[in-house]
Amino acid sequence: GQSLEQPSEVTAVEGAIVQINCTYQTSGFYGLSWYQQHDGGAPTFLSYNALDGLEETGRFSSFLSRSDSYGYLLLQELQMKDSASYFCAVRIPGANNLFFGTGTRLTVIP
Amino acid sequence: NAGVTQTPKFQVLKTGQSMTLQCAQDMNHNSMYWYRQDPGMGLRLIYYSASEGTTDKGEVPNGYNVSRLNKREFSLRLESAAPSQTSVYFCASTGQLANYGYTFGSGTRLTVV
Repeated sequence: GQSLEQPSEVTAVEGAIVQINCTYQTSGFYGLSWYQQHDGGAPTFLSYNALDGLEETGRFSSFLSRSDSYGYLLLQELQMKDSASYFCAVRIPGANNLFFGTGTRLTVIP
Repeated sequence: NAGVTQTPKFQVLKTGQSMTLQCAQDMNHNSMYWYRQDPGMGLRLIYYSASEGTTDKGEVPNGYNVSRLNKREFSLRLESAAPSQTSVYFCASTGQLANYGYTFGSGTRLTVV
């Protein structure tokens, strides 16, 4: 089976930088995705890494190291509205779906 | 552009009752999915449809059936609801995109008593 590990909770101060890690054990690997979900809302797509390195989209960046089976989501200039759950998800060969981690609840405090 | 529309948003069922959750997307996506979300367990795949006319089981298919009615619509049916099926259900879709990003519906909060 597939296994993804993320911290369950992270707290950070408004204006700061926070990193949310994700390690995975899978039978093959195509890419790593990140999704944001506010309480009571639907998950929304943030980023996708298929190759090693850093992808930047505004205040959010996502990193992948395929050799380490590891990735992270980096949120800069934190805002209160960034308080949400963040899920990593992997796409593997032979599967037409994503496998999701259990999520990291980020709380941004003033 | 509505994206992915799910109905109903909330539902309470008695044990043994049946119901169908509806999902429709207007983005001309080929692939559609049903996930359930339980506290501390992330999103788990129930069934998916890679294209019109095909459906496949996911991680937790027991107690559910699906129908890919056409390219737009993918429904999930609970034939005899059980308390263990109390959950939040999300429908999602994706096209053949390089980033494979899913678009999710707003969810159905189901309680089985």
